[in-house]
Amino acid sequence: QQQVKQSPQSLIVQKGGISIINCAYENTAFDYFPWYQQFPGKGPALLIAIRPDVSEKKEGRFTISFNKSAKQFSLHIMDSQPGDSATYFCAASIGQAGTALIFGKGTTLSVSS
Amino acid sequence: NAGVTQTPKFQVLKTGQSMTLQCAQDMNHNSMYWYRQDPGMGLRLIYYSASEGTTDKGEVPNGYNVSRLNKREFSLRLESAAPSQTSVYFCASSERGGLGYTFGSGTRLTVV
Repeated sequence: QQQVKQSPQSLIVQKGGISIINCAYENTAFDYFPWYQQFPGKGPALLIAIRPDVSEKKEGRFTISFNKSAKQFSLHIMDSQPGDSATYFCAASIGQAGTALIFGKGTTLSVSS
Repeated sequence: NAGVTQTPKFQVLKTGQSMTLQCAQDMNHNSMYWYRQDPGMGLRLIYYSASEGTTDKGEVPNGYNVSRLNKREFSLRLESAAPSQTSVYFCASSERGGLGYTFGSGTRLTVV
């Protein structure tokens, strides 16, 4: 049973465009929703994260939008750059001791110049 | 400031061989995790250790064992490797729960 569903599987965006990746979750006990960025040959790195008490969080060109009633959250990358080309994973957890992150299957983003 | 260190980086095993993947963190984190990454499957949790002295199964534990040697080190053992265990293995650590993971750079394992 997949608890975090991520789409699309791959995405091609032109330089300067907006990249949007969506995730949906099932477990209403989740209260921490991070996004990770992974470059080829590297481990994933935390990009940005949100708690369900806010509907949006922005850090530079990266924004998380959160819809608690729909159990969905999304990553928006504004002014996408070739250096943003990577695999992006959404994740969710209960955030308590003794728990672990559940990851989506990932989205491979290619930004064409 | 090493963060999470995994060894080895690459390994080729023959079916039936055993090996241990090593992971060490220097951030004084309480929790440590092992994930495997396969194309189109994302990151799947194998085992985790919420604190020193405890370990729990994740989504795909079959064929693996773990040892939380101390607060810094968390090893993953394959007793009898199978081709289905060909994957990239990532170790991660966090201060607590599922928050703010720091990942290692991974071990690429091929079982022939």
